[in-house]
Amino acid sequence: DAGITQSPRHKVTETGTPVTLRCHQTENHRYMYWYRQDPGHGLRLIHYSYGVKDTDKGEVSDGYSVSRSKTEDFLLTLESATSSQTSVYFCAIRGDTGGELFFGEGSRLTVL
Amino acid sequence: RKEVEQDPGPFNVPEGATVAFNCTYSNSASQSFFWYRQDCRKEPKLLMSVYSSGNEDGRFTAQLNRASQYISLLIRDSKLSDSATYLCVVIMVDDKIIFGKGTRLHILP
Repeated sequence: DAGITQSPRHKVTETGTPVTLRCHQTENHRYMYWYRQDPGHGLRLIHYSYGVKDTDKGEVSDGYSVSRSKTEDFLLTLESATSSQTSVYFCAIRGDTGGELFFGEGSRLTVL
Repeated sequence: RKEVEQDPGPFNVPEGATVAFNCTYSNSASQSFFWYRQDCRKEPKLLMSVYSSGNEDGRFTAQLNRASQYISLLIRDSKLSDSATYLCVVIMVDDKIIFGKGTRLHILP
């Protein structure tokens, strides 16, 4: 299995609090992605990174920010969590030559 | 028209049967194609890549039809453990990654 881990795996928080999800990879892959998955919507891209300090927005980036200060870590931050951000968040990595994605186990976030 | 479309199912299939489902894509500038499997409350996992010449991996066969812009997945001799949601993934020439919403498969004992 691809070396990709997410933390925390589960989190319950209250509206208005900041939340940071971490994605860590041991594959030295260039591309990293954050998706959210909700019933009826499938996987939707939040942000992605194509290198250290190189990030870009996806289709549902409002309310989220990311940082990538090291190749192995890609952080997703909700500055002020809202109930609409209750979801399952998946990180994915992809090699330098493109091709398939490999996913982390997911982080289940509940915002009360 | 959506960029990638899949029949959401569910497909309810008796154990041992053969089942096939398709995924259509709208943009002819699509470069790479994959099938992923996702179990309930788990992450998507790569099942197989899809090549123009078609490819097989055990009981699974994937086909690409560029002229009609669809990919297919055939599962032979289905097992209870094949019950899952199957996602098709299309990667465009500009590297945009598009996921289908998945087809749910239930294998019945």
